[in-house]
Amino acid sequence: GENVEQHPSTLSVQEGDSAVIKCTYSDSASNYFPWYKQELGKRPQLIIDIRSNVGEKKDQRIAVTLNKTAKHFSLHITETQPEDSAVYFCAASISGNKLVFGAGTILRVKS
Amino acid sequence: NAGVTQTPKFQVLKTGQSMTLQCAQDMNHEYMSWYRQDPGMGLRLIHYSVGAGITDQGEVPNGYNVSRSTTEDFPLRLLSAAPSQTSVYFCASSADRVDTGELFFGEGSRLTVL
Repeated sequence: GENVEQHPSTLSVQEGDSAVIKCTYSDSASNYFPWYKQELGKRPQLIIDIRSNVGEKKDQRIAVTLNKTAKHFSLHITETQPEDSAVYFCAASISGNKLVFGAGTILRVKS
Repeated sequence: NAGVTQTPKFQVLKTGQSMTLQCAQDMNHEYMSWYRQDPGMGLRLIHYSVGAGITDQGEVPNGYNVSRSTTEDFPLRLLSAAPSQTSVYFCASSADRVDTGELFFGEGSRLTVL
C-alpha cells in the first residue's frame, strides 16, 4: 500500500542551529505534502504545505523542498528556538481523499 | 466556532465492551476522518467520509465502524474492544478534498482497553 517514511525519528539540536527532517513517499500520483507540528499533549496543527507543481516554499524560519523525481520532500527549520521542540509529521495525499502520515520526528531544541 | 469537538477525552474499557467516540464540527466541512496515534507509528487513517451518507476505509479499518448521517457528525464505533485498540484517537475535518487545504484536528480521545 501507500507508504511515507520519515527520518530521523529523533533529532536534538542546539538553539540557533538548523534542523532538517526528510520524508519519502511511494505513490507517484501524490500531489500534496503537508507538515504538521504536535506539541506535547496537543493536537497536530499544520505548519506548512507544498504542492507537486512547486519545488520549494518558505514561511519565515521554516521551508519545505520537494523532489518529485526522487519522491522525497524535506522540512527545514532555521535558527531553532526552544518553542520549536515538538513532534513533526510529514504526510502525502493519496487519491485526493486520504492523507498518509510518516511516523513522526521528535525534535528537541537545547538552550 | 468551536472547530472539531471530540468526546469523551478519556475512556477505559474492558475487552469485549462496545463504545462510540463522538466527533462534531461546526465549520460546514465536507471531509471528515478518524486517525489513531500510537508511539512510533504516527497517525494512521481508520475511516473517512467525503460527505453525508458517504464513508470509506482507510489504512486500519478492522474493528471500527463509522456512519455519516449529517455533515456535522462522524461517530466512530468499536463493537468489541480489544487491547490492540488502546490508542489516542483523533477526528479531523477539511473543507473539501484533503489535498486542497488544512486538516483540522480535534483534541483527541485517549482510549485504554484492559
